[in-house]
This record gives sequence, structure tokens and C-alpha cells, in this order.
Amino acid sequence: EAQVTQNPRYLITVTGKKLTVTCSQNMNHEYMSWYRQDPGLGLRQIYYSMNVEVTDKGDVPEGYKVSRKEKRNFPLILESPSPNQTSLYFCASSFGGVEQFFGPGTRLTVL
Amino acid sequence: AQKVTQAQTEISVVEKEDVTLDCVYETRDTTYYLFWYKQPPSGELVFLIRRNSFDEQNEISGRYSWNFQKSTSSFNFTITASQVVDSAVYFCALSEAGQAGTALIFGKGTTLSVSS
Repeated sequence: EAQVTQNPRYLITVTGKKLTVTCSQNMNHEYMSWYRQDPGLGLRQIYYSMNVEVTDKGDVPEGYKVSRKEKRNFPLILESPSPNQTSLYFCASSFGGVEQFFGPGTRLTVL
Repeated sequence: AQKVTQAQTEISVVEKEDVTLDCVYETRDTTYYLFWYKQPPSGELVFLIRRNSFDEQNEISGRYSWNFQKSTSSFNFTITASQVVDSAVYFCALSEAGQAGTALIFGKGTTLSVSS
């Protein structure tokens, strides 16, 4: 089954404790991206990757890092999480960057 | 700059009513894509439709229909005979084709509540 998976689905952590949210897709898509969703703001892009070892900032990259060492994986790294990074995070992938397939979401709470 | 506006923050209807969710977009590109996504209470994003800028035909899928009008930069979504299961947040989104790293630009969403 073609899908985008994210782990963990739910995470509660404390300020400053480094964390990684994994994202994996099995569709051989070149394009992957991360979004965050906040009430009243819709979804905003954090980072994207056009291919292996090619990443770039989206609209709200501050406080996040990503890496793309393999085509299927695109982890989101929060080196020092802060409460304002409490959000619902979505990973997405696509072939050609147009229609994006979304993962199930990761609900992160930073205390 | 690209922008998607969903002016209706919340809509409440009673079952079997028809409801239209408005979406107005801004873009300078001549080639672009418009999307609607549904986000039920469980939180996942469910793809509903994609429409490219060269195809202004309206589309109907069961109780759902979409009206795309380039003249008014609108891509409205109508649910006919709404049901409780239609209760969700609905997002309209825009993607400009041909640009590397093109993000989906989302509206802020419309929360639809359908009561029985």
C-alpha cells in the first residue's frame, strides 16, 4: 500500500530535549516536505527536499533541521524544542512537487 | 505573492442542508493547481480534489461539487444534503506549477459542523 508514515504519532516532551520525528514514504517520490498546522493559521511549510541531499527552507524553518540521506526518509529534527513548537506536524511526499500525499500527522507538545 | 483566503471560519448546518465553502486565491502564475482537503476530527488530511488552471470544468463527485471560476479567482466547494460525517475542517490550497520546491499554500480552513 502506497503511504507516508510518521513516527511517533503523539509526543510530549520538555523544553530543550532534542527530538526527531521520522517520515518515510514507499512511493519512490523525489519531493518531500514538512508542514506544521496551528489553529487559525492553516498549514505552513517548514522544510522541503527535492531529492537526496537536497533540502531547502520553507516558510517557517526556524528551530528545525532536516536531512535527506535516503530517498524514502525525511526526518524532522528539533535540536532544542520550545513551547512555541507545540503543533501538529505533517510530512508529505510527491512526484514532481504538485500533488502531495500526506502522512497521518504527529501531535507534538513541548512543556 | 500566492495567497488562499477562506473567509468562513466556521459554518454550522443541520443535516440535509446544502452548504458551500468559499475559497478565493491569488497567484501571478498562469499555470497552477488548486486543491481541497478534508481534516476530520481524527486529524489526518484527506485529499478531495485537484484542479489545474486550464480546466475550468465544474466537477461533481457524489454529494460533492466544485465550482472553479478563474474570472473571480474562486474555487468553491459545495456539499449537497450534508451529513454528520461531513463535519470536519476543510482546507483549500494552491500550488504553482513549474517552480522548484513549490509548497502547497493553504487557506486557514473552514470548520464545518453538521448536526442531526
